[in-house]
Amino acid sequence: AQSVTQLGSHVSVSEGALVLLRCNYSSSVPPYLFWYVQYPNQGLQLLLKYTSAATLVKGINGFEAEFKKSETSFHLTKPSAHMSDAAEYFCAVSEMNTGFQKLVFGTGTRLLVSP
Amino acid sequence: SQTIHQWPATLVQPVGSPLSLECTVEGTSNPNLYWYRQAAGRGLQLLFYSVGIGQISSEVPQNLSASRPQDRQFILSSKKLLLSDSGFYLCAWSPRGTGSSGANVLTFGAGSRLTVL
Repeated sequence: AQSVTQLGSHVSVSEGALVLLRCNYSSSVPPYLFWYVQYPNQGLQLLLKYTSAATLVKGINGFEAEFKKSETSFHLTKPSAHMSDAAEYFCAVSEMNTGFQKLVFGTGTRLLVSP
Repeated sequence: SQTIHQWPATLVQPVGSPLSLECTVEGTSNPNLYWYRQAAGRGLQLLFYSVGIGQISSEVPQNLSASRPQDRQFILSSKKLLLSDSGFYLCAWSPRGTGSSGANVLTFGAGSRLTVL
């Protein structure tokens, strides 16, 4: 079965600094990978997804993630943090070539941005 | 465009009382529907999913049940709530079929926060 590990329940950065949120996955078949963002008391919004078309995936709000098969990683980055990026971020995985794709989420990383 | 609605947004219920959370999707037909629960520090846990009217799959044994009485309506219920049922419940939908990318992309509602006292 597939799984996702997000390293660090909290990440703190200063405004303008690089954002790096880590995600490692486990999957017995080629995966689909996703990053979602959740603002307080709201649902989840899709930031970006990896579907094997390209290893570097660009998403909304200036975020991007790179699929590295050798490292089983899909880390999320943004060159310059903005105060509005403060939220909780979830990495998720589903498996290709299965009859019904179920999304499995990590435990989330809360991003704190200080002025 | 498609929209997803959940209600109520917040709910405070005593232990042993019943529960009904409702989710509806507009602007699409035959969606896959999901209920997730988010407990503090534990990420999102898939509770139920449905690929059609009356078709419910349960992912974990629990005190909750789900029903899909109409194509775009998904209901989460309990006959008697437990303290451990407290959490943030999220409904989601995805298109039937995966589209050109092959990936099953979920769209989430705004959530329902349940506090059991």
